[in-house]
Amino acid sequence: DGGITQSPKYLFRKEGQNVTLSCEQNLNHDAMYWYRQDPGQGLRLIYYSQIVNDFQKGDIAEGYSVSREKKESFPLTVTSAQKNPTAFYLCASSIDSWTEAFFGQGTRLTVV
Amino acid sequence: DAKTTQPPSMDCAEGRAANLPCNHSTISGNEYVYWYRQIHSQGPQYIIHGLKNNETNEMASLIITEDRKSSTLILPHATLRDTAVYYCIVRAGYGQNFVFGPGTRLSVLP
Repeated sequence: DGGITQSPKYLFRKEGQNVTLSCEQNLNHDAMYWYRQDPGQGLRLIYYSQIVNDFQKGDIAEGYSVSREKKESFPLTVTSAQKNPTAFYLCASSIDSWTEAFFGQGTRLTVV
Repeated sequence: DAKTTQPPSMDCAEGRAANLPCNHSTISGNEYVYWYRQIHSQGPQYIIHGLKNNETNEMASLIITEDRKSSTLILPHATLRDTAVYYCIVRAGYGQNFVFGPGTRLSVLP
């Protein structure tokens, strides 16, 4: 099946540890996005990538890092510099920057 | 900040049409109106989008006013599975991203 896969669905980490969230798509989409959602809130953009080997900061990039070495993969690292990392993280992709985006099912990260 | 304004919540009886309004009074000529919905603890689901003409697909209809300052998403026969948060987004394209506001929480009641 074509789609966007985020793994794992639930992730627990100790405070001070870096953690990497996976996002893979087999839709041949050029653009990929990472969003963060806090309880009862809308989505906020962390990073986005219009094309392989290129990415830009979104509204809340501090404490996060990404890479886009392959078209189908856009991993997000939550670093120890992120003050409040516990949240629901959503990855999305779109054919290009002009078309609708499709979302994965999210990873719920809990830092204790 | 989101460029759209939506009511925080709405109720709809099962089987009836759900009409979800959205104001986007500052929309630019090249900006599309997109609608997504999010069922609890899942990723947002794309519903429909349009520029200035009304649009219809298997999920919903999108009615955009002639001045493009507001739109309405119509779910023609709401079911319990349509209970979700619905987001209205305006977006031009390259260099812009999907800005999600708080949306409208639609509750479909039996």
